[in-house]
Amino acid sequence: DGGITQSPKYLFRKEGQNVTLSCEQNLNHDAMYWYRQDPGQGLRLIYYSQIVNDFQKGDIAEGYSVSREKKESFPLTVTSAQKNPTAFYLCASSPTGTDGYTFGSGTRLTVV
Amino acid sequence: GQQVMQIPQYQHVQEGEDFTTYCNSSTTLSNIQWYKQRPGGHPVFLIQLVKSGEVKKQKRLTFQFGEAKKNSSLHITATQTTDVGTYFCAGREEGSYIPTFGRGTSLIVHP
Repeated sequence: DGGITQSPKYLFRKEGQNVTLSCEQNLNHDAMYWYRQDPGQGLRLIYYSQIVNDFQKGDIAEGYSVSREKKESFPLTVTSAQKNPTAFYLCASSPTGTDGYTFGSGTRLTVV
Repeated sequence: GQQVMQIPQYQHVQEGEDFTTYCNSSTTLSNIQWYKQRPGGHPVFLIQLVKSGEVKKQKRLTFQFGEAKKNSSLHITATQTTDVGTYFCAGREEGSYIPTFGRGTSLIVHP
């Protein structure tokens, strides 16, 4: 079955450490996205990529980095510069960018 | 920048009652999408509306796009406990690649 796989489901890290969240899709979608979800805040865009080897900052990119070396993969690194990294992180993809998004099951990151 | 307001934030209903959530944009939209997120889950795409005044139905769910393409609504007839979750709208501004998500309406259905 085609879909988006995010791993791990839960992640605990110490303050000051960088951490990389994985996102893999086998839907052959061109566009991929990273969102952060906090209670009562809805979905806020971190980064997006319309095509391999290209990506753009979203509304809250500070403290995060991404890469898009393969069409199937769009990993997100949460760096130590991110002031409040504890959140639910959602990866999504869409065929062309103007269609509906397919979301992964998310990664809950807790920084202690 | 573009703002998408969604109301209400929460809605409690008795099973069998109807439910409506509203989405209002500060700018004209090229399209609007609706998603459902179950508690502890991830958003799932429900539908996309593109045309002014468009109305689409999915079983007990009715989606509307306003004539001015600045507002939309999702109406659920005779709610069931399986309808529990948060419903998000996401509006794409004319000329924009990325949609803006509303903060969602959380539906709680009491049996």
